[in-house]
Amino acid sequence: EAGVTQSPTHLIKTRGQQATLRCSPISGHTSVYWYQQALGLGLQFLLWYDEGEERNRGNFPPRFSGRQFPNYSSELNVNALELEDSALYLCASSIQGFGYTFGSGTRLTVV
Amino acid sequence: QKEVEQDPGPLSVPEGAIVSLNCTYSNSAFQYFMWYRQYSRKGPELLMYTYSSGNKEDGRFTAQVDKSSKYISLFIRDSQPSDSATYLCAMSGGTNAGKSTFGDGTTLTVKP
Repeated sequence: EAGVTQSPTHLIKTRGQQATLRCSPISGHTSVYWYQQALGLGLQFLLWYDEGEERNRGNFPPRFSGRQFPNYSSELNVNALELEDSALYLCASSIQGFGYTFGSGTRLTVV
Repeated sequence: QKEVEQDPGPLSVPEGAIVSLNCTYSNSAFQYFMWYRQYSRKGPELLMYTYSSGNKEDGRFTAQVDKSSKYISLFIRDSQPSDSATYLCAMSGGTNAGKSTFGDGTTLTVKP
């Protein structure tokens, strides 16, 4: 069974640009979660999607947005990139609402 | 104050030692308590989860939850160099149902 897959693995963007990160959950998992892990910091909750709907949102500005597609894959968009957006972005899926399976993450670097 | 506080470490122990990792929390609505292990440049991996108070054992790992004290622990027996990683506690439940709140992680090094 394939795990949670994220693409791209690495992404380098210039300040002010937009970044799009993608995630495919484990087959059968309808919930997708996005977390940001800045260097030396813990995981900060960004977004939770379930059955195509945004269910919860963390304390991040509106330029962080996303969506979930009918096949349950998800996309995270970050507009107007700032230097402090540089981080590892982790996607996870779950079937029971806890006990996530994480992907390996997308390392976003803003220069 | 953060909802979940985790001993930051780093923690360095000799091979074979018993390791104790701890977290405290403030939200009494938390019902599910998880421990994840994260190797460098990888996503976190779920080690075990516990519902409500009590103990749970899985091989060399034991998770304990004391809801009265809002304190959770992960014990690793006979620690191995391969256990060297960052350990993250996480919790969910109540108004946070469907979303997990993580501690900042404790970095463990097990020396041969």
